Amino acid sequence: QLQLQESGPGLVKPSETLSLTCTVSGGSISSSSYYWGWIRQPPGKGLEWIGSIYYSGSTYYNPSLKSRVTISVDTSKNQFSLKLSSVTAADTAVYYCSAMVRGVLVWYFDLWGRGTLVTVSS
Amino acid sequence: QSVLTQPPSVSGAPGQRVTISCTGSSSNIGAGYDVHWYQQLPGTAPKLLIYGNSNRPSGVPDRFSGSKSGTSASLAISGLQAEDEADYYCQSYDSSLSALYVFGTGTKVTVL
Repeated sequence: QLQLQESGPGLVKPSETLSLTCTVSGGSISSSSYYWGWIRQPPGKGLEWIGSIYYSGSTYYNPSLKSRVTISVDTSKNQFSLKLSSVTAADTAVYYCSAMVRGVLVWYFDLWGRGTLVTVSS
Repeated sequence: QSVLTQPPSVSGAPGQRVTISCTGSSSNIGAGYDVHWYQQLPGTAPKLLIYGNSNRPSGVPDRFSGSKSGTSASLAISGLQAEDEADYYCQSYDSSLSALYVFGTGTKVTVL
C-alpha cells in the first residue's frame, strides 16, 4: 500500500526558503505509473496545486508560483522535495504531497500525505 | 482565484440527497478534461472520492455519484449520513495560462 509522508520545518522566516520532503513508502518513486505532486491549503481556505514531477525529473509548475518553486526527486531515497523561495505570510499553509495517476487525458491526485503546516513568521 | 466555481455550502437532513455543482469553462471542463472530486473530513487530508467524472475508487460507498455535462460537473450524495459532513472539492485540468491542475472553490456539506 503506497503511503506518503511530508517532513520539514514548521516555521520559516519571511524572505527565507521553505523546504519540504515527501517520503514514499510501499512503492517505488521510479514507477512510471505515478507523477508526484505538491498541493497547499492556507488555513481556512481552498486547495492550490504547486507543481508536479516525474521520476525522470520532468516538472510542471503553477505559473503563479513558478519563479519561486523548485521540485526535485531523489530516487535513491524514494523521496521528492519542494523548495519555495522568498516566502511571505501568504505562504503559510498546510502543504500536502500526493501521488498522481493517469486518467483518460491527464493525471489526477490519487493518494495524499497527511500534510504538514508551515507557518511563515519572524 | 479558482477557475472552478462551487457553492460555498449545501445542507440536508440525514437520508436526503444533496448535489454540489462545479462550474468551469471552455479551457477546462468544457475542453473535455475529466473532473475529479475529493472529500476532506475536518482536520484531515483530502481523499479521492470520484475520478474520471463518475468512477468511485474501491471503498467509496455508492451513495456518492458524479456526472459531467458541458462546462459543469456535479457530485451527488444520496442517503446523506452524519459522516458525510465535510468539505468537497472538484478538480480538473486547465489548458489556459492558469495553473494546469485546478481545484474548485470548495463546498461545505452540513448534515442537519
